[in-house]
Amino acid sequence: ILNVEQSPQSLHVQEGDSTNFTCSFPSSNFYALHWYRWETAKSPEALFVMTLNGDEKKKGRISATLNTKEGYSYLYIKGSQPEDSATYLCALEQAGTALIFGKGTTLSVSS
Amino acid sequence: KAGVTQTPRYLIKTRGQQVTLSCSPISGHRSVSWYQQTPGQGLQFLFEYFSETQRNKGNFPGRFSGRQFSNSRSEMNVSTLELGDSALYLCASSLYTGGKRGYTFGSGTRLTVV
Repeated sequence: ILNVEQSPQSLHVQEGDSTNFTCSFPSSNFYALHWYRWETAKSPEALFVMTLNGDEKKKGRISATLNTKEGYSYLYIKGSQPEDSATYLCALEQAGTALIFGKGTTLSVSS
Repeated sequence: KAGVTQTPRYLIKTRGQQVTLSCSPISGHRSVSWYQQTPGQGLQFLFEYFSETQRNKGNFPGRFSGRQFSNSRSEMNVSTLELGDSALYLCASSLYTGGKRGYTFGSGTRLTVV
């Protein structure tokens, strides 16, 4: 059974702090790694889709890196704001399969 | 453009009953997948449909079934409901663009089994 692990499970930071989360996955049959942002009572919002080893993506204050050889991805948030409070999900896509999700990292940002 | 629409948003059913959930994908998306989230668990993959055919299936009992219509709308059915089926059910439609597959999720159906 494939396992996608995310750490930490939850995180509480102050406004302005920078933070990062980890997503670990089996590197065999890798096709793509997806990151989502999920706010309560809303639908998960796609942040990044990364396919190549060494990929780096950036969207505003949020960025992500990918290492397919060792099976991990980092998500960084620079200068966290209260509106960044959400659960951040990573999901592994293997060739010919649907998404396999981690349990997520719940971020809480205090002002 | 319209997003992924799931109906109903909330549902309360009794053990032993059956339930049907609906998902309307983004126009032009031919793939629809379904996921279940229970407390403390991540999103668990149920099944995926493409052009009316089930393409992948997760590790769920046969009480969980689905189908896709010619307009790409999908339904999932759970028969003989159990208390443990209480969960948030999400569907996503997807499309390959530029060598990558983008998934767009609906807001989900919250099912409570009493």
